[in-house]
Amino acid sequence: RKEVEQDPGPFNVPEGATVAFNCTYSNSASQSFFWYRQDCRKEPKLLMSVYSSGNEDGRFTAQLNRASQYISLLIRDSKLSDSATYLCVVFGEGGSYIPTFGRGTSLIVHP
Amino acid sequence: DAGVIQSPRHEVTEMGQEVTLRCKPISGHDYLFWYRQTMMRGLELLIYFNNNVPIDDSGMPEDRFSAKMPNASFSTLKIQPSEPRDSAVYFCASGIGLQETQYFGPGTRLLVL
Repeated sequence: RKEVEQDPGPFNVPEGATVAFNCTYSNSASQSFFWYRQDCRKEPKLLMSVYSSGNEDGRFTAQLNRASQYISLLIRDSKLSDSATYLCVVFGEGGSYIPTFGRGTSLIVHP
Repeated sequence: DAGVIQSPRHEVTEMGQEVTLRCKPISGHDYLFWYRQTMMRGLELLIYFNNNVPIDDSGMPEDRFSAKMPNASFSTLKIQPSEPRDSAVYFCASGIGLQETQYFGPGTRLLVL
């Protein structure tokens, strides 16, 4: 049973918009967290790690909320090229250290 | 660096046939992961290896699936006999450390008729 949950979307936004996705997990002992990006019919690729203090990489900001057990991804000034599926990964779900992927959130940025 | 290499990229076979998927990880990576991705279940970890040793195969669906890593530069995932419900995209990924960045191969699209 999937214990990492994501809103599948699609999120349909205009260029320049700000959009945010959340990813909830169920094991409070979960440790490492990441966001991956997957383009249609391609492999997932690392977007960014999620640190306890949060981290920012250009237009992308990732945050961790341990109290509420979710991670978030904020994309500012959306570009057409941001259209993709965004997968969160949680290590430590189910009591083991294996990675558990969410099923992804689809983002469509339109002109 | 060539990245993770998988073969074949596409495979169409008939129910009951044996299917072998191949993966060459990035040189120097000590972890190798096999995943399966479907629309219904998303991306699921099947098995992972550390230094060529299988560590966790709890995601392998049943005895029809087996995986080996005879050396640091090669791994196989075998399905015997294959069934239509095995149709999916199978990804191999490698990395340095278990909870670190994983680098995915392009995947093998398997269709079992």
